[in-house]
Amino acid sequence: QQQVKQSPQSLIVQKGGISIINCAYENTAFDYFPWYQQFPGKGPALLIAIRPDVSEKKEGRFTISFNKSAKQFSLHIMDSQPGDSATYFCAASLNDNNDMRFGAGTRLTVKP
Amino acid sequence: DAGVTQSPTHLIKTRGQQVTLRCSPKSGHDTVSWYQQALGQGPQFIFQYYEEEERQRGNFPDRFSGHQFPNYSSELNVNALLLGDSALYLCASSSLRSSNEKLFFGSGTQLSVL
Repeated sequence: QQQVKQSPQSLIVQKGGISIINCAYENTAFDYFPWYQQFPGKGPALLIAIRPDVSEKKEGRFTISFNKSAKQFSLHIMDSQPGDSATYFCAASLNDNNDMRFGAGTRLTVKP
Repeated sequence: DAGVTQSPTHLIKTRGQQVTLRCSPKSGHDTVSWYQQALGQGPQFIFQYYEEEERQRGNFPDRFSGHQFPNYSSELNVNALLLGDSALYLCASSSLRSSNEKLFFGSGTQLSVL
């Protein structure tokens, strides 16, 4: 069922560094690509999302880069902070909040 | 304003038993989706309810069933539990009428099948 592949599985970054997480999707009909952040014991929370008609979206320290021809998108976290330590999931869906397909997740650790 | 609430938070069952998980959506939301998250994996879509009907279903067997009530709350039922059903079950709510609304997740119910 998984149609979204995410890498790396885990990532360790120094405080102030840039964290980069990548995802690739298969279904060209997907039209909504969100990123979720999940802390232990909590459900995923929407961080930022993009649609395929734009190549980049930035919200604060978080940026999504989207490459439609390569069927890839990535999350960049600038000036990474220890509080950003969490598991990050990319996802894709055909119609906004319906049947969201998630990647396997990336466990990010930001060292102080 | 309470977000998505799920109960219970933890549950232990044995193989073959049946379980019911409950979810109250965020105020103003009319659509409830259920996801299964195995340890170390991303959530997998089980099904979605809107107007008390199953609107969409993922690749899960008929042992997984659900219900939505007139107040938009929802239940997930799993029959004949298997060891492999052990997972975090997440409820998410959204508004079908407002496609710009985010998908909000609850904190989940951790189900352990022994």
